Amino acid sequence: GAGVSQSPSNKVTEKGKDVELRCDPISGHTALYWYRQSLGQGLEFLIYFQGNSAPDKSGLPSDRFSAERTGGSVSTLTIQRTQQEDSAVYLCASSYRMAGGYNEQFFGPGTRLTVL
Amino acid sequence: AQSVTQLDSQVPVFEEAPVELRCNYSSSVSVYLFWYVQYPNQGLQLLLKYLSGSTLVKGINGFEAEFNKSQTSFHLRKPSVHISDTAEYFCAVSGRGSQGNLIFGKGTKLSVKP
Repeated sequence: GAGVSQSPSNKVTEKGKDVELRCDPISGHTALYWYRQSLGQGLEFLIYFQGNSAPDKSGLPSDRFSAERTGGSVSTLTIQRTQQEDSAVYLCASSYRMAGGYNEQFFGPGTRLTVL
Repeated sequence: AQSVTQLDSQVPVFEEAPVELRCNYSSSVSVYLFWYVQYPNQGLQLLLKYLSGSTLVKGINGFEAEFNKSQTSFHLRKPSVHISDTAEYFCAVSGRGSQGNLIFGKGTKLSVKP
């Protein structure tokens, strides 16, 4: 079946502009994660969604970052007033989450964001 | 909280030689352990995982890793590498019973030379 998809694959923006990154998880997967891969910080967890529960936003680096997940499926990560340090690859992953056990995360190809 | 240290940022090796990529972790709770591989311009792919049971785990492409609880290590090994193994390798942990978000090491770039 189809894997996790992300769009756009590449995004170039100017400092101060807002950007939206989209993630389509694998159908039926209840858990969705956003990570950021940057040269300086490596791979970092950003935010976690599980079903209709309140998201865990503990990894978001600033209040310029926000995310939502509509209908328990598609997720959008929004970065407001982008800064050059936001330049990174943003990765989305999804899993079929069952409490108390391990569930493999499947990663999308990522969105490469470049802030000029 | 957990943290992961990958001791080598780059590992050059000749084709058909053995390789070991080192990973140490720190955690106050029991963890699951993972190795992911990222080929150039591609996404992350799960190479292998340790959940429980045998401390020696085998993954795809001939890789294996050994969980050592006393040394809090999870080193990745392959007895004979190929040019196609050139990639970046990430060690990761997640807490047992947690929501499952992964804590990654900084990565090790494996370069296999002919």
